[in-house]
Amino acid sequence: NAGVMQNPRHLVRRRGQEARLRCSPMKGHSHVYWYRQLPEEGLKFMVYLQKENIIDESGMPKERFSAEFPKEGPSILRIQQVVRGDSAAYFCASSPYTQETQYFGPGTRLLVL
Amino acid sequence: DQQVKQNSPSLSVQEGRISILNCDYTNSMFDYFLWYKKYPAEGPTFLISISSIKDKNEDGRFTVFLNKSAKHLSLHIVPSQPGDSAVYFCAASGRGTGGATNKLIFGTGTLLAVQP
Repeated sequence: NAGVMQNPRHLVRRRGQEARLRCSPMKGHSHVYWYRQLPEEGLKFMVYLQKENIIDESGMPKERFSAEFPKEGPSILRIQQVVRGDSAAYFCASSPYTQETQYFGPGTRLLVL
Repeated sequence: DQQVKQNSPSLSVQEGRISILNCDYTNSMFDYFLWYKKYPAEGPTFLISISSIKDKNEDGRFTVFLNKSAKHLSLHIVPSQPGDSAVYFCAASGRGTGGATNKLIFGTGTLLAVQP
């Protein structure tokens, strides 16, 4: 029973490029959450999605960041025109229902040069 | 505004003894609390949770205590083992986080070192 899968595990981008982070939830889970961990900080909520719907994006930066969870395929977190301050670990979590424990993937470590 | 606080950045304990990790919160609308363990370069691993209708939940070596009046929870690990050495995050969710979501609000973590 595979857990939450994220790829790539490491991503290096130059300033101004685009970063695409992918997340496949656990089997049977239809709720996906994205969190970001900046160096020396705790995890911060970014966005909560269900299939084809964004439920809560209150933690997303207003510009350059977007997320989707299509009917088929993984959830995608997209960062356009990356800046050095975007360097962080990005974690995806999934749960079977709302108000259930969230299980995390291994994360994608983004480094912006 | 840090709604979930872990005031001890680190804790060192001898193998076999009890480890007590503490967490305080400010939002009385939180109704579900979780502890996660995290190794470097890995994602958080769920350990144990507690609903606000309870004051204690136990799972093997791990026990979580919730004191709602003090807005405080703690994680007890007994006996502590060297493999428990990791960063421990406290997280909270509930109506106070806004809307219908159960987004988690995390503390900044406590690094536990269990000495052999």
